[in-house]
Amino acid sequence: GDSVTQMEGPVTLSEEAFLTINCTYTATGYPSLFWYVQYPGEGLQLLLKATKADDKGSNKGFEATYRKETTSFHLEKGSVQVSDSAVYFCALRGGRGGSNYKLTFGKGTLLTVNP
Amino acid sequence: DVKVTQSSRYLVKRTGEKVFLECVQDMDHENMFWYRQDPGLGLRLIYFSYDVKMKEKGDIPEGYSVSREKKERFSLILESASTNQTSMYLCASSPLLGSTEAFFGQGTRLTVV
Repeated sequence: GDSVTQMEGPVTLSEEAFLTINCTYTATGYPSLFWYVQYPGEGLQLLLKATKADDKGSNKGFEATYRKETTSFHLEKGSVQVSDSAVYFCALRGGRGGSNYKLTFGKGTLLTVNP
Repeated sequence: DVKVTQSSRYLVKRTGEKVFLECVQDMDHENMFWYRQDPGLGLRLIYFSYDVKMKEKGDIPEGYSVSREKKERFSLILESASTNQTSMYLCASSPLLGSTEAFFGQGTRLTVV
């Protein structure tokens, strides 16, 4: 079945540092890929998405590129802020021939950014 | 603005009680989901529904049931709550097909004592 593997963390950075959170996936068909963010005490919010190979999703300074050849969707940000402290989840929604209806999540990566 | 609303942010229930968690969405989505979130385990799918009165088991359905009598409402039921069901519960909805993301409620933190 579909699966998502992401670096588990926790990740602790200083403000303005460069961030990478790795995410790789296994899926049938052509999945759509997502990064969700969860701030303390809240539900999940969509951060960015990409629906086909070589697409780049971006939002709030975060970026991720859908790499079909390496089955990866790594999250990056050039300069993190204290307000970026949260848990980040990589997820996929299956493509044709697979489980199109549901999201499969990685285990989440806790990011803490210190001033 | 799209919205998924869970009826409670925090709940405390006693072991053996029957517990209802309610979720309502206003986006006319076909799919609705219940996930459970635990530290180190990420999000695990309990049940989902792709239409009124339709339901399918997810990865961890034991000890839970669901009800979907109307398209906008999806209820999670703990028939007899146990302490190992203490967790964060997240409801989500999405369109039936396509690449659109799922939208999440704010979560219900359930404690069973």
